[in-house]
Amino acid sequence: GAGVSQSPRYKVAKRGQDVALRCDPISGHVSLFWYQQALGQGPEFLTYFQNEAQLDKSGLPSDRFFAERPEGSVSTLKIQRTQQEDSAVYLCASSLSYGSSGNTIYFGEGSWLTVV
Amino acid sequence: LAKTTQPISMDSYEGQEVNITCSHNNIATNDYITWYQQFPSQGPRFIIQGYKTKVTNEVASLFIPADRKSSTLSLPRVSLSDTAVYYCLVGDITAAGNKLTFGGGTRVLVKP
Repeated sequence: GAGVSQSPRYKVAKRGQDVALRCDPISGHVSLFWYQQALGQGPEFLTYFQNEAQLDKSGLPSDRFFAERPEGSVSTLKIQRTQQEDSAVYLCASSLSYGSSGNTIYFGEGSWLTVV
Repeated sequence: LAKTTQPISMDSYEGQEVNITCSHNNIATNDYITWYQQFPSQGPRFIIQGYKTKVTNEVASLFIPADRKSSTLSLPRVSLSDTAVYYCLVGDITAAGNKLTFGGGTRVLVKP
């Protein structure tokens, strides 16, 4: 597709449920990022992939959060045993590469997670 | 990562020019300055990026003084649809896995 695509767009989960959020980056983009955005706040970095390699997961808030990108394209962010504090918008972003060219980072529309 | 400071909010009127200044006193030599725009219920959208002096595109201009300790995003002749949150980010875009660090952003309200 033309942009970063995320699904589901909206998800309501009961506390304790596991959720999986999918990201389809722009075709050919090497770098993929996940961000978490709480209401009224700026996005906060969660994790980064370069192709299939997860090079930075310093922002993942707990071991309940897990991300993968097994074939270097589609990525899934999984949250186990969801808690109310996990309620947020989860943004996926991608960029063609790193370096002075092709490094603009493009964001998807986000997956809105509400834990009840 | 360089920290940025920008106003929390700004009001303007249709047709006016809006200038948002961002302070980044500890910007590093390899850091670029990038601005994103975010509408409610949408992901951030890239507006403009620069290293020094002035950059202009079809949407905005970015002014960066010689010391690079601040930058100003200029939106010419704003319309109601420019009401959004604008984020200033500073980072080394040449590095692998350059992760953007967002602050609180500036909420711009354009009034009729």
